[in-house]
Amino acid sequence: DTGVSQNPRHKITKRGQNVTFRCDPISEHNRLYWYRQTLGQGPEFLTYFQNEAQLEKSRLLSDRFSAERPKGSFSTLEIQRTEQGDSAMYLCASRPKFSTDTQYFGPGTRLTVL
Amino acid sequence: AQTVTQSQPEMSVQEAETVTLSCTYDTSENNYYLFWYKQPPSRQMILVIRQEAYKQQNATENRFSVNFQKAAKSFSLKISDSQLGDTAMYFCAFMKHPTTDSWGKLQFGAGTQVVVTP
Repeated sequence: DTGVSQNPRHKITKRGQNVTFRCDPISEHNRLYWYRQTLGQGPEFLTYFQNEAQLEKSRLLSDRFSAERPKGSFSTLEIQRTEQGDSAMYLCASRPKFSTDTQYFGPGTRLTVL
Repeated sequence: AQTVTQSQPEMSVQEAETVTLSCTYDTSENNYYLFWYKQPPSRQMILVIRQEAYKQQNATENRFSVNFQKAAKSFSLKISDSQLGDTAMYFCAFMKHPTTDSWGKLQFGAGTQVVVTP
C-alpha cells in the first residue's frame, strides 16, 4: 500500500495557460474524489468518480475544468485558460470499494497562477 | 445543505497538556459520519478519528477522543498528553451516508491550527 500519489507537487503557470494534474489512488480503490483547498480554508469538493464514471460534479467545477479517469485507475484534472483565482491546493482522495466512509488523501498539487 | 463550523482559528497548548477543539454542524440527515482530519505543515491530510452518527458511544483513538452530542450537533475533539508532532491544522468534516445522490463526499470546516509548544 503506497498511498495516494499526486503529480506534480507544485505547478507555477502564467494566466491563460492550461495545466493538468495527475492522481494515482491506492490500488483497488474504485472511488476517487477531487477537492480544492484555498489558503486558510478547508477543502471543497470538486468531483467524484466511481471506477471510470464521473458521477458528481460540484458547481465549483466551471467549464474550464475537466476531469477524467479513463481506465478506472489514475485520474487527471485539467484546467484550461487558468486564472489567478485558480491558485489553490488540489487534493485527491480515494476510498475502497467496500468501505462506507474513510477517504485517504494524497499530498496535493499546489497551483500558483501568476 | 450541510454546514460545518469550527469557531477556533488557532489553539496553543503546551506539551503534555490537553486541548479541545470545537466543531458544530447543521444537517437534517439522521444517518451520517463525522471525522477529524489532521494536516501537518506541507504534508497530507491524515484521518485522526471517525464517528458514526448512529453510535452513541464516543470514539477514541489513543490520545484522541471525541465528544459527540447528536442533538446539539456538536463534535469536539480532545487531544490528551499533547506532543510536538500534534502541531497541525485540524479539520472537522461531515459526510452523509453514501447513496446514489450523495457519493460520500466530505464537507469540511475552515480548520483550527493547533500549535504545541515545549
